[in-house]
Amino acid sequence: GDSVTQMEGPVTLSEEAFLTINCTYTATGYPSLFWYVQYPGEGLQLLLKATKADDKGSNKGFEATYRKETTSFHLEKGSVQVSDSAVYFCAFDSGGGADGLTFGKGTHLIIQP
Amino acid sequence: DADVTQTPRNRITKTGKRIMLECSQTKGHDRMYWYRQDPGLGLRLIYYSFDVKDINKGEISDGYSVSRQAQAKFSLSLESAIPNQTALYFCATSGGRAPYNEQFFGPGTRLTVL
Repeated sequence: GDSVTQMEGPVTLSEEAFLTINCTYTATGYPSLFWYVQYPGEGLQLLLKATKADDKGSNKGFEATYRKETTSFHLEKGSVQVSDSAVYFCAFDSGGGADGLTFGKGTHLIIQP
Repeated sequence: DADVTQTPRNRITKTGKRIMLECSQTKGHDRMYWYRQDPGLGLRLIYYSFDVKDINKGEISDGYSVSRQAQAKFSLSLESAIPNQTALYFCATSGGRAPYNEQFFGPGTRLTVL
């Protein structure tokens, strides 16, 4: 069935380090892909999205490229900050929103000063 | 003001009690969703609604019911709460515009069933 696999956490990095959070998906059809972020005590916020192969979503210094051939949507940031500490969720919508979004389990990112 | 609001934000209840979680939105979206979040499991879909007359079960609907009172309001009920329903519950909305279904989330309700 449809599913998302992302890195287990927590991931602990020092400030200004390079970040990669891996995400791969299994889906029928041609899904749209999302990264959501959840800051402590808050709901989920859309971080970035991509709707077709080779699209690159970007926001707040984060980037992810829709790789259809490898069914991946890895999240990257060149230099993380303490304020990036949060839980990151990879998700997809297989089309039409009929069944909501399918989420990964989330990756807890901790950035140390 | 927040576009998607949830009440209450925190609730502690006892096994067997009936409780209702409420969600309201000012985004004018037709589609509304209820998810639950458990540590290490991500978010799972409970119910979703495309409009007032269209209610659909999600992945984990057993033990829950919903009511879409108006376009802007979508309530989740636990008829007889049990401890394994302790979780963080999120409401979300979507305009459902192709080609993607970006969803907007409320702040969540933390429910504890003793």
